[in-house]
Amino acid sequence: GQQLNQSPQSMFIQEGEDVSMNCTSSSIFNTWLWYKQDPGEGPVLLIALYKAGELTSNGRLTAQFGITRKDSFLNISASIPSDVGIYFCAGQGGVGSARQLTFGSGTQLTVLP
Amino acid sequence: ETGVTQTPRHLVMGMTNKKSLKCEQHLGHNAMYWYKQSAKKPLELMFVYSLEERVENNSVPSRFSPECPNSSHLFLHLHTLQPEDSALYLCASSQASTSHYGYTFGSGTRLTVV
Repeated sequence: GQQLNQSPQSMFIQEGEDVSMNCTSSSIFNTWLWYKQDPGEGPVLLIALYKAGELTSNGRLTAQFGITRKDSFLNISASIPSDVGIYFCAGQGGVGSARQLTFGSGTQLTVLP
Repeated sequence: ETGVTQTPRHLVMGMTNKKSLKCEQHLGHNAMYWYKQSAKKPLELMFVYSLEERVENNSVPSRFSPECPNSSHLFLHLHTLQPEDSALYLCASSQASTSHYGYTFGSGTRLTVV
């Protein structure tokens, strides 16, 4: 089945620093999504990418859909304490069961004051 | 209410108890999902319902029994659970007939089996 490799697994950064995380896949995806999960809550959608090469921003967050359709990255600029949480990438294929989302294992982000 | 609502938020149950988790979506979606999230492990897909039919059961033990009476409601019936079943159980919904979609998650039920 499809697998996503998400890295890094965890990050400790100082407030104000920029953050970058990425996902790579063994398969092509038609859609890439990035979610954030706060402690004790469900994941919330941050950014959705629908086209290879697409670069999309949401406030301080920027994500890109890789040209090969097998990777995506998420950047967070000028981190703040409320950025703490787990960030998941997810890819969606084309048809049938492949249309279900495949999730990465998550990046645990800690922002130090 | 909007979005995906899960109840209860927290549940402590003994290994011989029977309980149910409830999920309700108010988004008009036609697919619903149960995920298990254990500490330091990836999201594990348990069950998928599309148009009220179960389309996937990822080798989940029979002590977990899903029910989808209509497109807005999803239940997870629990019986004779084990301590290793303690986890955050997440429900999600999506509109599976569109070409682009993401899942909307509920806040989860934190289950502790004692």
